[in-house]
Amino acid sequence: GNSVTQMEGPVTLSEEAFLTINCTYTATGYPSLFWYVQYPGEGLQLLLKATKADDKGSNKGFEATYRKETTSFHLEKGSVQVSDSAVYFCALSGMDSSYKLIFGSGTRLLVRP
Amino acid sequence: DGGITQSPKYLFRKEGQNVTLSCEQNLNHDAMYWYRQDPGQGLRLIYYSQIVNDFQKGDIAEGYSVSREKKESFPLTVTSAQKNPTAFYLCASSIDSVESETQYFGPGTRLLVL
Repeated sequence: GNSVTQMEGPVTLSEEAFLTINCTYTATGYPSLFWYVQYPGEGLQLLLKATKADDKGSNKGFEATYRKETTSFHLEKGSVQVSDSAVYFCALSGMDSSYKLIFGSGTRLLVRP
Repeated sequence: DGGITQSPKYLFRKEGQNVTLSCEQNLNHDAMYWYRQDPGQGLRLIYYSQIVNDFQKGDIAEGYSVSREKKESFPLTVTSAQKNPTAFYLCASSIDSVESETQYFGPGTRLLVL
């Protein structure tokens, strides 16, 4: 079945460091891919998405490229800030009639000043 | 401002008690969803509804029930049959099932068992 695998956290970085959070997926067909962010005690916010192969989603300095050949959608940011500390979820759109999102387990990012 | 509201923010349940979590949206979205989040885990789908008066079970529907009498409202009841209800519950909505790829989330309700 369809699934999403994310690197385990926590990821701890110093401010202004480069960030990569790995995400790979298994899916039949051509799903859309998403990154959501969850700040402490809050719901999820859509960070970025890509709907087809080679698309690059970007927002707030974050970006991710839909790589069909490696079934990956890694999240990157060139210079993280303390305010980026949160849990990041990779997800794909359901490929069956339920239209549901399938989430990875989340990666906690902690940025130290 | 358009958005999704969930209430209460914290909810306490006694053994054998049913409790209902509220979810309201004023985005005019057709589809609504309930997810459960446990510590260190991703979100798991409990129920979803694509139109009014219709809903389907998700991956972990046992011990839960929903209704969709109005487009803007999708309450979730955690019944006494749910033996491990302590979790963070998130409601989401999307424009319609075809466009359901982008889901918008509420702030969540944390349910604790006394």
